[in-house]
Amino acid sequence: GENVEQHPSTLSVQEGDSAVIKCTYSDSASNYFPWYKQELGKRPQLIIDIRSNVGEKKDQRIAVTLNKTAKHFSLHITETQPEDSAVYFCAAGYNDYKLSFGAGTTVTVRA
Amino acid sequence: NAGVTQTPKFQVLKTGQSMTLQCAQDMNHEYMSWYRQDPGMGLRLIHYSVGAGITDQGEVPNGYNVSRSTTEDFPLRLLSAAPSQTSVYFCASSTGTSGRSYNEQFFGPGTRLTVL
Repeated sequence: GENVEQHPSTLSVQEGDSAVIKCTYSDSASNYFPWYKQELGKRPQLIIDIRSNVGEKKDQRIAVTLNKTAKHFSLHITETQPEDSAVYFCAAGYNDYKLSFGAGTTVTVRA
Repeated sequence: NAGVTQTPKFQVLKTGQSMTLQCAQDMNHEYMSWYRQDPGMGLRLIHYSVGAGITDQGEVPNGYNVSRSTTEDFPLRLLSAAPSQTSVYFCASSTGTSGRSYNEQFFGPGTRLTVL
């Protein structure tokens, strides 16, 4: 099955700086790569996703890049704000209902 | 439109007890999944369904049963609870609209289960 590794497990950044989270996956058949944000005590919510036929996608301060050859993808958050503090999960799968998730990255934005 | 709902929010069981975690969605989504979330391990897929009457195992299915008699409901049954099943359980759904392979998974609010 698919194995997703996520790094780092914790990330502390100064407000206004950028944050980068990296994930690798094992199954070359995976072609859907979503990122979820989970605030404390809340449900995971999709913040951005990318399909295998796209190398990069951007939505305001959030961007995701995908390197299918190397089997890794990354989340970039620019101009971080206190409300960006949360746990972020990457996931990979062949479809959207059968995903394998990374272990999560706890992001803390320092004011 | 309530989205994905789960009951109960919290539950404490004794080892060996059985119970059913309820999940319902009102978005007419074809696909539904159950995940468990443990500290430091992300979300792990337990079972999933691609439509009424169709279910399949995920990564960690042992000790759990599911059924999908209607599009709306996807209950998760713990047959004989064990302390290792202490976790937060999330149900999720996504549309399986023909021609679109990838759609956002919407998660329910979760059920926090403790097995003593």
